[in-house]
Amino acid sequence: EIVMTQSPATLSVSPGESATLSCRASQSVSSNLAWYQQKPGQTPRLLIYGASTRATGIPARFSGSGSGTEFTLTISSLQSEDFAVYYCHHYNNWLTWTFGQGTKVEVK
Amino acid sequence: EVQLVESGGGLVQPGGSLRLSCAASGFTFSSYWMHWVRQAPGKGLVCVSRINSDGSSTSYADSVRGRFTISRDNAKNTLYLQMNSLRAEDTALYYCARAPEVSPGVIDYWGQGTLVTVSS
Repeated sequence: EIVMTQSPATLSVSPGESATLSCRASQSVSSNLAWYQQKPGQTPRLLIYGASTRATGIPARFSGSGSGTEFTLTISSLQSEDFAVYYCHHYNNWLTWTFGQGTKVEVK
Repeated sequence: EVQLVESGGGLVQPGGSLRLSCAASGFTFSSYWMHWVRQAPGKGLVCVSRINSDGSSTSYADSVRGRFTISRDNAKNTLYLQMNSLRAEDTALYYCARAPEVSPGVIDYWGQGTLVTVSS
């Protein structure tokens, strides 16, 4: 099973600043990587798929990059609604798709 | 409007069984892979099981293989998860989710979830 490791566990950021979240796969997942946002009490929302493609309706301040085993989600100029938990998710091998443990982005 | 409405959760004793259902509407159900993803209280997301669009292929997390069975009825636009031999560690909010056939790993819509509590 491919293990997805996200860092840091918690990221403290001031509104208006940028945030960089990392996700590392234990083996290559090519570009089969998605990012989800989950706010308290809400369902997850798809942000990025294919490592770098924004989902429908996602603001341009969200960007994804990487391939293979190293991936990054960057949120530029954080808005109040962006404080949430972010999960990466690989779907490279249909038998074993796994999520990372999440990164909480909180107000500094 | 896309809707995924889960039902069937509840309190069950260890070793017991539950059958979750997910009623889909607002999209062509038979064109989507479907997933069950769970989230224990205060914890992260865990893939439980998935099924392809016509129901011919399924896969399971190691932790539930042999105990859980995913199925679907495309005529009724409904997804199911039969859960047997339940354990305390199966306690979680169970989400039904869809992914388009062209990108079966990209979950683009989630239901609100149904809570399963396994406790004596």
